[in-house]
Amino acid sequence: GEDVEQSLFLSVREGDSSVINCTYTDSSSTYLYWYKQEPGAGLQLLTYIFSNMDMKQDQRLTVLLNKKDKHLSLRIADTQTGDSAIYFCAETPRGSGYALNFGKGTSLLVTP
Amino acid sequence: DGGITQSPKYLFRKEGQNVTLSCEQNLNHDAMYWYRQDPGQGLRLIYYSQIVNDFQKGDIAEGYSVSREKKESFPLTVTSAQKNPTAFYLCASSMKGGTGELFFGEGSRLTVL
Repeated sequence: GEDVEQSLFLSVREGDSSVINCTYTDSSSTYLYWYKQEPGAGLQLLTYIFSNMDMKQDQRLTVLLNKKDKHLSLRIADTQTGDSAIYFCAETPRGSGYALNFGKGTSLLVTP
Repeated sequence: DGGITQSPKYLFRKEGQNVTLSCEQNLNHDAMYWYRQDPGQGLRLIYYSQIVNDFQKGDIAEGYSVSREKKESFPLTVTSAQKNPTAFYLCASSMKGGTGELFFGEGSRLTVL
């Protein structure tokens, strides 16, 4: 399938905000998702946004959606060392049942 | 507790051997999936199944086989035809409708020596 694009690495200092960006491919995706993966583990859903929304906030997480540009971002406020992980953006493209199409993931490193 | 269980967590095999990775869920989900993860490659879909006794190929099905004889189980066989089988394999499941969220197992790391 077509690629969901993400930058591969991001490094921030503890206490700063992190912004992870994603460009998705299918304008018909109903939901868009952010998943987190810790080393050697499976993926856990962090948050999702319905396609008719522009923004969703959940505690330290803010998701922004720009449907015109097919751009999704995840902002983590007051980033902590425990936030160091790989973050995946995902969409639901047509023709794959309910399977999600994932980006390559952004490795977030939080330094003290 | 409900969830997805993958086994084994780590598996070592010699080249040319078939291996089967187990995936069991007790979430009563209809759909199940297998993804492969390689460093810098993200997740790539191998096979998926939306209902018992039916499954479809994903983007990288060559060298893999699956079965879906029970709703709870979706085992993946990595055959000797898979040219580069060393990878981290992730199983997931989802319910029909809702938000489309996938629930993932903890993964199985296969190393072929």
